[in-house]
Amino acid sequence: QSALTQPASVSGSPGQSITISCTGTSSDIGGYNYVSWYQQHPGRAPKLMIYDVSNRPSGISSRFSGSKSGNTASLTISGLQAEDESDFYCSSYTAINTWVFGGGTKLTVL
Amino acid sequence: QVQLVESGGGVAQPGGSLRLSCAASGFSFSRYSMHWVRQAPGKGLEWVTFISDHGKQKYYADSVKGRFTISRDNSKNTLYLQMSGLRPEDSAVYYCVPNPGVETYYFDYWGQGTLVTVSS
Repeated sequence: QSALTQPASVSGSPGQSITISCTGTSSDIGGYNYVSWYQQHPGRAPKLMIYDVSNRPSGISSRFSGSKSGNTASLTISGLQAEDESDFYCSSYTAINTWVFGGGTKLTVL
Repeated sequence: QVQLVESGGGVAQPGGSLRLSCAASGFSFSRYSMHWVRQAPGKGLEWVTFISDHGKQKYYADSVKGRFTISRDNSKNTLYLQMSGLRPEDSAVYYCVPNPGVETYYFDYWGQGTLVTVSS
């Protein structure tokens, strides 16, 4: 049950696009289309942003999009805004009926 | 609307025990599987355990297997986490999270969590 691998930090300027990667194995990301992404602001509970690799829940901006290739999933945020500055976590269901999160990525909007 | 109120957190000594509760409302609790997810101070999210709607299926992270027990009382709309053999690394905010439905594998509603601190 090793954590998924995310970059510790990414940054971008307002209006730009950024992509956060999330790398797992064939037993989690590569084996299922059950990757989800969460945004967390300091002191707040996580918020679901993407589920099942690329689906957005109701109310989530179309600036957020998800994809997957092999054992790596990605979250892309376009048109960066100041309020996007937060931590992002990926998650995947696994072959042994467990769930695993990534270590988290801190997004800084310059 | 969905409400999840976790309680039971506090300070425990290494090797000690605590029982967390999660009172659920705003949805048909007995129809939903449930999870506990935790977050150590300043650290990332960690999935802890899962229980099916009627409690027959239970899964645990390796880090807590044999020490933590998940259970539920559908008549009381309440989820529990019995924690024993506590270690300092179990210190975290613990969230109870519903599984959205059959064949779903994400976490869409989160409570505010309850803080557990393991320290002598």
